[in-house]
Amino acid sequence: AQSVTQPDIHITVSEGASLELRCNYSYGATPYLFWYVQSPGQGLQLLLKYFSGDTLVQGIKGFEAEFKRSQSSFNLRKPSVHWSDAAEYFCAVGDSWGKFQFGAGTQVVVTP
Amino acid sequence: DAGVTQSPTHLIKTRGQQVTLRCSPKSGHDTVSWYQQALGQGPQFIFQYYEEEERQRGNFPDRFSGHQFPNYSSELNVNALLLGDSALYLCASSLEGTVGSSGNTIYFGEGSWLTVV
Repeated sequence: AQSVTQPDIHITVSEGASLELRCNYSYGATPYLFWYVQSPGQGLQLLLKYFSGDTLVQGIKGFEAEFKRSQSSFNLRKPSVHWSDAAEYFCAVGDSWGKFQFGAGTQVVVTP
Repeated sequence: DAGVTQSPTHLIKTRGQQVTLRCSPKSGHDTVSWYQQALGQGPQFIFQYYEEEERQRGNFPDRFSGHQFPNYSSELNVNALLLGDSALYLCASSLEGTVGSSGNTIYFGEGSWLTVV
């Protein structure tokens, strides 16, 4: 069965500092991995996705993620956060039909 | 090009009532999935429709049912509402057979906020 774990419920980071959000997954086959961001009261916006190939994936808004099969991880990073990055971030694993299993999310707070 | 549109955006229902939520997929998409997102949690998969048939279903009771129309739009119906059904209901659309291809993206709507009192 698919499962996704986001170990950090809440992260506080200073504006301009780097950010790393952790994601671990369990999946029987080659996973399709995604990171989504959700601002308060909003739907989900896709940041990036990994299907195959290069394990370092570039996304929108300056985010990147690295797929590490040996660690079953797909961590999200950003070198320098902006106040507008404050939001909730969800890691998800999907199957070929588009069914997603989401993690519980990580709330990111950006301080001045 | 409109993305995924959902209606209504907010609604309040009483326990025991029934509710219908609607979703129009992104133009060209033929597969619709529904998710429930309770406050402070990640979205949970309810079911997926393709070719007007329920193709996959998550761990939700039969009170949750759906429908897909020939134009690919979809409805989510919840009967005998419980307080615990209060959540954001998200619709996602995709094009069958393309998940996993670099050109495909699964799009989510803004959701329908359901409050059960």
